[in-house]
Amino acid sequence: KAGVTQTPRYLIKTRGQQVTLSCSPISGHRSVSWYQQTPGQGLQFLFEYFSETQRNKGNFPGRFSGRQFSNSRSEMNVSTLELGDSALYLCASSLATGVGTYEQYFGPGTRLTVT
Amino acid sequence: AQSVAQPEDQVNVAEGNPLTVKCTYSVSGNPYLFWYVQYPNRGLQFLLKYITGDNLVKGSYGFEAEFNKSQTSFHLKKPSALVSDSALYFCAVAGNKLTFGGGTRVLVKP
Repeated sequence: KAGVTQTPRYLIKTRGQQVTLSCSPISGHRSVSWYQQTPGQGLQFLFEYFSETQRNKGNFPGRFSGRQFSNSRSEMNVSTLELGDSALYLCASSLATGVGTYEQYFGPGTRLTVT
Repeated sequence: AQSVAQPEDQVNVAEGNPLTVKCTYSVSGNPYLFWYVQYPNRGLQFLLKYITGDNLVKGSYGFEAEFNKSQTSFHLKKPSALVSDSALYFCAVAGNKLTFGGGTRVLVKP
């Protein structure tokens, strides 16, 4: 079974631009979560989608948004990029919502660099 | 609010020696605890989890973790470390989302 895939793997953007990252979950998985990983802040939860609905949201500004499609694929968008948005963005999928019950499987991440 | 602490930024161990990576947690209610490992330029890989039951949980690649409710700890252990175990290790607690510790870098020297 194919794992979680994320595209693109690497991205360089300029301050003020916007960016869209894509995540394809493992086949049959209906929950997708997004995380931001930086050296200073570590791994921080962005949001979770299940059945095309946002279930949980972390403490990030409204510039960070996401959506999930009927095939469970998910996208996250960051508008008006800031230098501090440079990070590794990780997507994780699980069978269903409920992180305590269902293991999350992570993709390789998208490395975003904002200049 | 739930939280996880990994008190050591880095752990150095010689190959063949026991490896321990420490984790303490704070959560209301019963804890759901996880360990993940991250290799360079890779996403996180699941190692093991504690939901309920035996306090000693066995996971992938020879790793195990000991749940201690009184000390609110969930330390990761491996009896004999390998050079290939060198990586970044994360402890996490689950509520309505996964909350990760800051990570511990493990360096296993030949």
